[in-house]
Amino acid sequence: DGGITQSPKYLFRKEGQNVTLSCEQNLNHDAMYWYRQDPGQGLRLIYYSQIVNDFQKGDIAEGYSVSREKKESFPLTVTSAQKNPTAFYLCASRIGLEYSPLHFGNGTRLTVT
Amino acid sequence: GENVEQHPSTLSVQEGDSAVIKCTYSDSASNYFPWYKQELGKGPQLIIDIRSNVGEKKDQRIAVTLNKTAKHFSLHITETQPEDSAVYFCAARDDKIIFGKGTRLHILP
Repeated sequence: DGGITQSPKYLFRKEGQNVTLSCEQNLNHDAMYWYRQDPGQGLRLIYYSQIVNDFQKGDIAEGYSVSREKKESFPLTVTSAQKNPTAFYLCASRIGLEYSPLHFGNGTRLTVT
Repeated sequence: GENVEQHPSTLSVQEGDSAVIKCTYSDSASNYFPWYKQELGKGPQLIIDIRSNVGEKKDQRIAVTLNKTAKHFSLHITETQPEDSAVYFCAARDDKIIFGKGTRLHILP
């Protein structure tokens, strides 16, 4: 079955450590996105990528980094510079830019203590 | 900057009644307006979307209306059922996809 896989579902880290969240899709989609979800805040865009080796900052990119070396993969690194990293992180992809819906993974819940 | 406002944040309706969720957007260049449903512990799923050149779209019990002049769009769910209980998000634009803050819908028995 085609879809988006985020792993792991739960992730625990100590403050000061960088952590990388995995996102893989086998939908052959060109564009991929990372959102952060906090209670009462909706989904806020961190980074997005339209094609391989290219990505743009979203509204809350500070403290995060991404790479897009392969079409299928868009890993997100939460660095120690991110002040409030504990959150639910959602990865999504879409076939193109115009009028195409996002397909979401089931998220990774990151807890930093 | 771009913004999508969504109301109400919580909505409770009796099973069988209708539910309406409203959103407004700030970027007049927005041309795509999807709605997503999110169940607990899962990623959001698209339930309906509308393009800027269409005023209304319906899919069984779900409909979306768009008023481009006023920059607002609404989700209508008729004959609500228990499985409609979830969090609903509106979104706008077509490259960055900006989301509203969500509406938690409770269907009361």
